[in-house]
Amino acid sequence: GAVVSQHPSWVICKSGTSVKIECRSLDFQATTMFWYRQFPKQSLMLMATSNEGSKATYEQGVEKDKFLINHASLTLSTLTVTSAHPEDSSFYICSARDGSGLAYNEQFFGPGTRLTVL
Amino acid sequence: QQQVKQSPQSLIVQKGGIPIINCAYENTAFDYFPWYQQFPGKGPALLIAIRPDVSEKKEGRFTISFNKSAKQFSLHIMDSQPGDSATYFCAATTSGTYKYIFGTGTRLKVLA
Repeated sequence: GAVVSQHPSWVICKSGTSVKIECRSLDFQATTMFWYRQFPKQSLMLMATSNEGSKATYEQGVEKDKFLINHASLTLSTLTVTSAHPEDSSFYICSARDGSGLAYNEQFFGPGTRLTVL
Repeated sequence: QQQVKQSPQSLIVQKGGIPIINCAYENTAFDYFPWYQQFPGKGPALLIAIRPDVSEKKEGRFTISFNKSAKQFSLHIMDSQPGDSATYFCAATTSGTYKYIFGTGTRLKVLA
């Protein structure tokens, strides 16, 4: 149980285009989802926290107009990178928290999406 | 105060050895400390986690030691195998925020 999927697993796009990444909790309801960014050989950097049905909370330094997050249901959150540029190339990882409260504080991570902007 | 300091940055051990990875924190409000394993190109996977009311927790070959007074916790991998070669991250969080603060990661290589 507690599986989180991401789609696509990798994407290559041209500079200036927008890219949408989906994060789904497959077998539990995720009241809270998190989006991370990870550069090569570095740690995970939290970008934003989203709660179902409400606006995402962005970490300091993260442009909310560039990284649009939607958490429309208890099983789906999306991250849209708008007007992508080469410096946005990174590994994007989502995680989800089980809203049932049985998994104390635990976040379940997706497999990640590799974004390359040409 | 929100940082979690992790060491060493990298570690090489022989098969069967016991690598130890250490983490230290300042925020005494942290009340959940998970360890994650990450292989290249994959998302992190939970290995084991501990709460501050316990000084040690074992799950299979993985053990967390927790020292509340020193604000430190460590991961021990017993009988390490080449398949354990990965990057390990410690994290800390506070109930209510549920936001994880990650350590900087330790790249472990287990030689056959």
